Amino acid sequence: EPEVTQTPSHQVTQMGQEVILRCVPISNHLYFYWYRQILGQKVEFLVSFYNNEISEKSEIFDDQFSVERPDGSNFTLKIRSTKLEDSAMYFCATGQGARNEKLFFGSGTQLSVL
Amino acid sequence: RKEVEQDPGPFNVPEGATVAFNCTYSNSASQSFFWYRQDCRKEPKLLMSVYSSGNEDGRFTAQLNRASQYISLLIRDSKLSDSATYLCVVNTGFQKLVFGTGTRLLVSP
Repeated sequence: EPEVTQTPSHQVTQMGQEVILRCVPISNHLYFYWYRQILGQKVEFLVSFYNNEISEKSEIFDDQFSVERPDGSNFTLKIRSTKLEDSAMYFCATGQGARNEKLFFGSGTQLSVL
Repeated sequence: RKEVEQDPGPFNVPEGATVAFNCTYSNSASQSFFWYRQDCRKEPKLLMSVYSSGNEDGRFTAQLNRASQYISLLIRDSKLSDSATYLCVVNTGFQKLVFGTGTRLLVSP
């Protein structure tokens, strides 16, 4: 089965530092998403991205967050100035259609902000 | 009211048992519905989509009741490998999936 690849698997950073989380989508997928899961809590939607622009974002996705496809293949999530409460597992997901009929999730990046 | 609500469990069942999970959702405009499975500290994986007509995949049966805004998952003949957290997921129609907190299942020998 095709896979969504995320790097790094773990990221430890100091509060206030910038982090970039990377995702390689499945090649023929057009819709890209970031979700996060704080330990012990539910999976939460952050942002959806289609045709090189954000199509929807949640309240969590404030000005400290940004997404882009810098080279047309990788899909990145940047957090400009990390806070303690940004510590979570971040999942990239990709899909072929707009209705999320099947989303493929990457194995996640565990971000720890100290 | 939470957007997607599930009993967190855990449900402790012996191998071979039948177990049912329920889920309610608040947005009546929701368009599509899914059950995902999540193993500890792993990514969610799609188990099955849920349709009004009901659908079955081997030992798993899912049902949707739009009038009651209620979704169910039935697992027959539970296996040890079914131990996981089962996530009720709703597509609210704006390109985002809303996840429930999940129901934890523990199947014991």
